[in-house]
Formats: sequence, structure tokens, C-alpha cells
Amino acid sequence: GESVGLHLPTLSVQEGDNSIINCAYSNSASDYFIWYKQESGKGPQFIIDIRSNMDKRQGQRVTVLLNKTVKHLSLQIAATQPGDSAVYFCAESYYGQNFVFGPGTRLSVLP
Amino acid sequence: GAGVSQSPSNKVTEKGKDVELRCDPISGHTALYWYRQSLGQGLEFLIYFQGNSAPDKSGLPSDRFSAERTGGSVSTLTIQRTQQEDSAVYLCASSLLRDTATTNYGYTFGSGTRLTVV
Repeated sequence: GESVGLHLPTLSVQEGDNSIINCAYSNSASDYFIWYKQESGKGPQFIIDIRSNMDKRQGQRVTVLLNKTVKHLSLQIAATQPGDSAVYFCAESYYGQNFVFGPGTRLSVLP
Repeated sequence: GAGVSQSPSNKVTEKGKDVELRCDPISGHTALYWYRQSLGQGLEFLIYFQGNSAPDKSGLPSDRFSAERTGGSVSTLTIQRTQQEDSAVYLCASSLLRDTATTNYGYTFGSGTRLTVV
């Protein structure tokens, strides 16, 4: 189902440390996944995607890991910076349509 | 346009009044979505338009909410007789229909309309 009415969990990390944000998805048939970043006052923005035929995908300072066995997705951010402070959403879909969003995690970077 | 455009960016209305929120999707994007985001919370799906197909209205919270999409482009979300619990950010997103040539067919979101009902 869709994400409704949930208070966001918060992850606090020290600047320079690595961050790991986790997400459990619901549909075993989902074949395409995206992580979004939402900064205050803005709409969510695409960070990185992964298809179900992959276990890992790397971008610039970000890595997404997919474990289909347990329906788990994670986003790793290397050397976390103050600009990484935001709310992060995972999204799952089948055939790239009608994405279902996770509840979101607020990342707070401490100086 | 280059991105998804939403207007107005902020709207303050009195309880009981009707409001219209507008979304201009990216040109050529066949799919359009409306989501609602209450303060500090996740994304609540409202409605989905795909081409000429009948819209998926399964997320609309009550019959006070309606949406239309004219000519497969611009969409308007209308909230009648607004209530204080309607206060939220309303986000619009558009996307391409998936095809094998597209490497990223996720949503592109607008910046949202912040609705405050007083």
C-alpha cells in the first residue's frame, strides 16, 4: 500500500562518516527501484535506481544494494556531508509504473 | 518545460472554500501523479493519470477531492469545501511510459503547492 500518516524515523550521522538508510519493500514482483532525496521545501529528486536483475549499483558517493530474498533495499552514502541532510524515500514498482513509496527516513548530519 | 511546474507554490484558504491546484508536467510525459505530504510525513498517493486511460482514483481521501487532466497535459486537483486536515503539501509528478530505451523512468516531481486551511 501507499505510505500514509507515518512519522519519519531519523538517522543522525557525523559529518564524514558513512550513512546507511534501509527500506523494506512489499511486492516480490517489483522489478525496478529508486531512491529519492527530498530537501526542505522541495519535491523529491531522483538519486539512483536499480533493476531487479542487479544486486548492487554505484553512483557518485552513493551505492544501492538490493536483496530480493528478504525484500530489502539500502542506500549507502559515503563521507556524508551537511548537504546530504534531507528525507530519503525508497520507491518500488513493477514495470516502472505506479511507484509505491516507503515512509521515508530523515538523515541529519552532525558537524 | 524543463521540469514539472506547480502553481501556486503557496495557498492559504479559509475553511469551507474550494481550491484548485495546477500541475504542468514535462512535455511528452504520459503519466501524471498527485501525492499529498503532511508535515514531516511520507507521500500519500492520491490519483494517477496514464494517457487516455481512465484515471486511478483509488487514493482520493473523500469525494471532496477530484482531478482532471486536459489534453493529456495539464492537470488540476480540486478540493471542495476545504477542511483544516487538508492542509499539506500537494506534489505532482510525471513520468515516461516505460520502454527498453529509457534508462531512468522514475518520476520527476514538482516543488509542490503548500496548502494551508485556516
